[in-house]
Amino acid sequence: EAQVTQNPRYLITVTGKKLTVTCSQNMNHEYMSWYRQDPGLGLRQIYYSMNVEVTDKGDVPEGYKVSRKEKRNFPLILESPSPNQTSLYFCASSLKGTHEQYFGPGTRLTVT
Amino acid sequence: AQSVTQLDSQVPVFEEAPVELRCNYSSSVSVYLFWYVQYPNQGLQLLLKYLSGSTLVKGINGFEAEFNKSQTSFHLRKPSVHISDTAEYFCAVSKNTNAGKSTFGDGTTLTVKP
Repeated sequence: EAQVTQNPRYLITVTGKKLTVTCSQNMNHEYMSWYRQDPGLGLRQIYYSMNVEVTDKGDVPEGYKVSRKEKRNFPLILESPSPNQTSLYFCASSLKGTHEQYFGPGTRLTVT
Repeated sequence: AQSVTQLDSQVPVFEEAPVELRCNYSSSVSVYLFWYVQYPNQGLQLLLKYLSGSTLVKGINGFEAEFNKSQTSFHLRKPSVHISDTAEYFCAVSKNTNAGKSTFGDGTTLTVKP
């Protein structure tokens, strides 16, 4: 089944404790993105990648890192999480040319 | 820079009534436009998209949207809604020169009442 998977789905952590949220897609898509969703603010793009080893900042990249070493994986790293990073995070992928994004199920992160 | 404005944060309608969800965008270059739907406690899925060609775009579940370049709008319409259409709807834009970067609107919550 074609899909985007994210792990973990739920995470509660403390300020300053490094964490990684994984994202993987099995559709051989070139493009991948990370978004955060906050009430009343829609989805805001954190980082995106247009292919292996090609990443760029979205609208809210501060406090986040990404890497794209393999085409299928696009992990999101929070080196020192803070409470203002409490949010619902979505990973998405798309095929170059169609631009239709396929979204993962989301990761709900709480930083205390 | 590109931006998206969804003009209504909440739209309540009765079942079988028509609905229009409004979306305006701004961009200095040509764009691709999208509508996504998010059902409660789920991820987003594509309803329809405009890349080029015909300005009237038909999507899934009976939705359609019209691209109006002069008014920089991409409004979503359905002639007769069902209870199951209750969800949050997002308009999104990306430049055709950098399709990796996407900007979403703040969302419109459509509530269909019996």
